[in-house]
Amino acid sequence: GAVVSQHPSWVICKSGTSVKIECRSLDFQATTMFWYRQFPKQSLMLMATSNEGSKATYEQGVEKDKFLINHASLTLSTLTVTSAHPEDSSFYICSAPTSGSGDTQYFGPGTRLTVL
Amino acid sequence: GDSVTQMEGPVTLSEEAFLTINCTYTATGYPSLFWYVQYPGEGLQLLLKATKADDKGSNKGFEATYRKETTSFHLEKGSVQVSDSAVYFCALSEHGQNFVFGPGTRLSVLP
Repeated sequence: GAVVSQHPSWVICKSGTSVKIECRSLDFQATTMFWYRQFPKQSLMLMATSNEGSKATYEQGVEKDKFLINHASLTLSTLTVTSAHPEDSSFYICSAPTSGSGDTQYFGPGTRLTVL
Repeated sequence: GDSVTQMEGPVTLSEEAFLTINCTYTATGYPSLFWYVQYPGEGLQLLLKATKADDKGSNKGFEATYRKETTSFHLEKGSVQVSDSAVYFCALSEHGQNFVFGPGTRLSVLP
């Protein structure tokens, strides 16, 4: 089946630094990818929709200047958490739909970010 | 807006017990419905899906039927195993874009 990878799988950083998370579709092209955030023992909350070749669409309440999204190619989207703070610590998950599979989304394994 | 409600956990069962996790939804259109499973420390995996009313999704012994009249998509398994211990998320999607997830139900199966 379709595979979506994320890198890194976990990262620890100091407060004030920036962290980049990559999301790749390994065996298919994705013009759209989605970024979610999951707090411990909670559900996924959509942060933004990443669009290849155009600006990302952010959900209400998500700071676009803090969570920078770049959809550089049909197989890669990156989420950069700028000037990270401890409250940004979370599990970040990306997903991508594949053509021909209806509306099924394939999810990456997630990236656990811990900001000290 | 669209929303998904599912039974709060945690649910604790003995091995070989019958499992039901209730899920109901509200949507403006005709969404596709999904169950995703998340094992400890991992991302979400698609468990099963149904795209229209009366469709039954099934996988690994799990089943769920799209009930439009009751706006429900309950997950069932006849005999759970310890390896089924995970968090289960009910979700809906309209037009294959934005997914709306339920809060998740944590299942623990004891040997």
